Amino acid sequence: DGGITQSPKYLFRKEGQNVTLSCEQNLNHDAMYWYRQDPGQGLRLIYYSQIVNDFQKGDIAEGYSVSREKKESFPLTVTSAQKNPTAFYLCASSITPGNEQFFGPGTRLTVL
Amino acid sequence: GQQLNQSPQSMFIQEGEDVSMNCTSSSIFNTWLWYKQEPGEGPVLLIALYKAGELTSNGRLTAQFGITRKDSFLNISASIPSDVGIYFCAGPVQGAQKLVFGQGTRLTINP
Repeated sequence: DGGITQSPKYLFRKEGQNVTLSCEQNLNHDAMYWYRQDPGQGLRLIYYSQIVNDFQKGDIAEGYSVSREKKESFPLTVTSAQKNPTAFYLCASSITPGNEQFFGPGTRLTVL
Repeated sequence: GQQLNQSPQSMFIQEGEDVSMNCTSSSIFNTWLWYKQEPGEGPVLLIALYKAGELTSNGRLTAQFGITRKDSFLNISASIPSDVGIYFCAGPVQGAQKLVFGQGTRLTINP
């Protein structure tokens, strides 16, 4: 089945540790996106990538880093510099940049 | 920058009632998207609108692309418990390869 996978569904980390969230798509989409969602809130864009080996900062990029070495994969690293990392993280992709996006199931990160 | 304002922010209705929500902007959009997010899940695309005045249905859901291109509406007829969730509108940001999302309308249904 074609789709977007995020793993794991739930992730726990100690404060001060970096953690990498996985996002994989087999839809052959060019563009991929990372969003953060806090309880009861909307979606905030962290980073996005229009093509392999290229990415741009979104609205809340501080404390996060990404890479896009393969078309299928767009991992997000939450670094120790992120002041409040506990949140629900959503990955999305679109066939071309700016078109409708399709979302993965999300990863809930809790930093203890 | 471009912003989308959704209203109402939340709705509490009885099962069987019809639901109406809208999304407005001070900017023109060429595409309007409506998503639904269930608790603990990623948003799912419900309806995409590409032309001013367009009216599109998906089962009990109907969405319209406003004539001014600055608004869109989503209606749900005869609500059922599985309609519960947060509904987001979205549109492409002019000159940037990304979407802007509204803050969402949270729908709660009393059986």
